[in-house]
Amino acid sequence: DTGVSQDPRHKITKRGQNVTFRCDPISEHNRLYWYRQTLGQGPEFLTYFQNEAQLEKSRLLSDRFSAERPKGSFSTLEIQRTEQGDSAMYLCASSWSGGTYEQYFGPGTRLTVT
Amino acid sequence: AQRVTQPEKLLSVFKGAPVELKCNYSYSGSPELFWYVQYSRQRLQLLLRHISRESIKGFTADLNKGETSFHLKKPFAQEEDSAMYYCALQGGGADGLTFGKGTHLIIQP
Repeated sequence: DTGVSQDPRHKITKRGQNVTFRCDPISEHNRLYWYRQTLGQGPEFLTYFQNEAQLEKSRLLSDRFSAERPKGSFSTLEIQRTEQGDSAMYLCASSWSGGTYEQYFGPGTRLTVT
Repeated sequence: AQRVTQPEKLLSVFKGAPVELKCNYSYSGSPELFWYVQYSRQRLQLLLRHISRESIKGFTADLNKGETSFHLKKPFAQEEDSAMYYCALQGGGADGLTFGKGTHLIIQP
């Protein structure tokens, strides 16, 4: 296991299209987090899962954003009807609830909406 | 509401000089505080957390609840310390992290 992985690493889409990103956490980690990072800002927390349960989703930016983790392993983040303001780096992180809560981050997916 | 403030966007120091990256936070309870670092072309990684009271790569950070600060310090900067540094707060155990805007540290030779 080489750490948290995200796919794709880069995505260019046209305004109005839907996009979906995938995150594969470290295999023994049961918690999974999504963040968004825009230029010049720190990561901004969006949502998190413990196993397959989405325990916090009030921070999702709008109802165009949704996330799933159907089997408690990988997760997907979908943005519907993308807008130019959605252009950002989307980060995934995972952690183990029985440990120190340290979050391990993936490399991110850079989204560009044209 | 919880907030993390890093007042310096950019900090440039010479190799061998002391470094202090400032972090102030706002949170009503007892937070967990972290410093994350991102080296060029690498992913975000944990540098240290206040609860462990470790020294990692020569860096230390002390939580000052009175001043609500968690400044990161290193007595002698090295060129490989050049990176983006983010202070982060976790308020509710499993909840997501609240990050500051980051400080870009440049160590000049």
